[in-house]
This record gives sequence, structure tokens and C-alpha cells, in this order.
Amino acid sequence: DAGITQSPRHKVTETGTPVTLRCHQTENHRYMYWYRQDPGHGLRLIHYSYGVKDTDKGEVSDGYSVSRSKTEDFLLTLESATSSQTSVYFCAIRPDRAGQPQHFGDGTRLSIL
Amino acid sequence: AQSVAQPEDQVNVAEGNPLTVKCTYSVSGNPYLFWYVQYPNRGLQFLLKYITGDNLVKGSYGFEAEFNKSQTSFHLKKPSALVSDSALYFCAVRFDNTDKLIFGTGTRLQVFP
Repeated sequence: DAGITQSPRHKVTETGTPVTLRCHQTENHRYMYWYRQDPGHGLRLIHYSYGVKDTDKGEVSDGYSVSRSKTEDFLLTLESATSSQTSVYFCAIRPDRAGQPQHFGDGTRLSIL
Repeated sequence: AQSVAQPEDQVNVAEGNPLTVKCTYSVSGNPYLFWYVQYPNRGLQFLLKYITGDNLVKGSYGFEAEFNKSQTSFHLKKPSALVSDSALYFCAVRFDNTDKLIFGTGTRLQVFP
């Protein structure tokens, strides 16, 4: 595997609570991504980072924030979780060189009741 | 709008027969094209990519894909399917000068013994 660890792997929480998911890499890659996977939608990009403290929004960023204070960690925060954010969340990393594929972690299954 | 389509939700094939999983895209500019496979409770695994050059690309586990610019397609193929190839397959496209991928909705491949 590409040296990506997501934590926690499973989480159940209640509507309105804050949730933070962590992605940790050991590859020293510049680019990191957060996706959500839902049936019928494939993977949709939430936010991505192109360096420490450099982030940008993806197509489904509402209700999510991210932070990257060091190269190896990329945090995804749901400030006030809603049931519509129940999903499987994947982190991915990519080397700098153009044309290189993204490599994915094994995901976090998040259930919001 | 830029998009990726996987027209088949599921493909069924007998073991030993050839398989094809279809992908078409709509893009301006030169696309980078990728195929990924996902096994249950795992992240996406990179199979192959097309950046430039030969239209027939060979990848992992005996898979190959053919880039067809006139038909804007990038179909995944394998000459002889294995039961262990049963999984969820995603096509993804990256566009010039972006750091982001757009994923199709996925095709479930079922190989029967």
C-alpha cells in the first residue's frame, strides 16, 4: 500500500456533533485529497491540498472544512454533522510529477444518526 | 460541463470469457485517463492510465484499456476473466492543468465460475 492511514476506520455519531477525520501519509507527497463515496455517485471530491496550508474546494465542500499544518497530515472536519453526511470517506495522495495516479487509503465509514 | 460516464451499473461475464467495462468522457483539452478497482471494504487501487502515446495501454492483473479520441472512450478490457476480478471498477479523468480527478459512478463486474 501507498503509506496512507485513515483514522478512525469507523465512527458513529449524532446529528449536530463535530467530527474530525484524519489522513496520515508517509510518502511526503505534496497533494492530498478528501472524497466521499455514495451509491450512484461514485467518488466526489470534497477538498484537496497542494501543500502545507494550501487547500481548495472540491465539488461537494459545503459543510466541510480542512486543515493541513504539516505535510503528512490532512484533516477533514464536519463542524456540525448532518445525516446527509453519512458516507464512506476516502483520502488520497499524489506525487508532484504530472500524470501520476492518486493512491487511496482504506476509508472511514461514518454514520450520523 | 466536463464529465465521465460509465453506462453500465453491472457487467456479468463467465470465467474465461473476455470482459469489457465501458467509459466515455466529455472534456475540453487533453485528458489524462485512469482506471481503478475497488474490493469490498478497501480503497481504490490503481490499474492503469493513459497520458499520451500508444492508444492501447496495459496495466496490472492482465487488464488493458483502449483510448479512442474520436469516440471519447477509454474502455477497460481483459482477454480472459477470473472470478477474482469480481469488484467495483471506476473510470476517472484528469484535465489539463488541474489537480483534480472526476470519477464515473462505477461498474460492478461479476465473474461467474
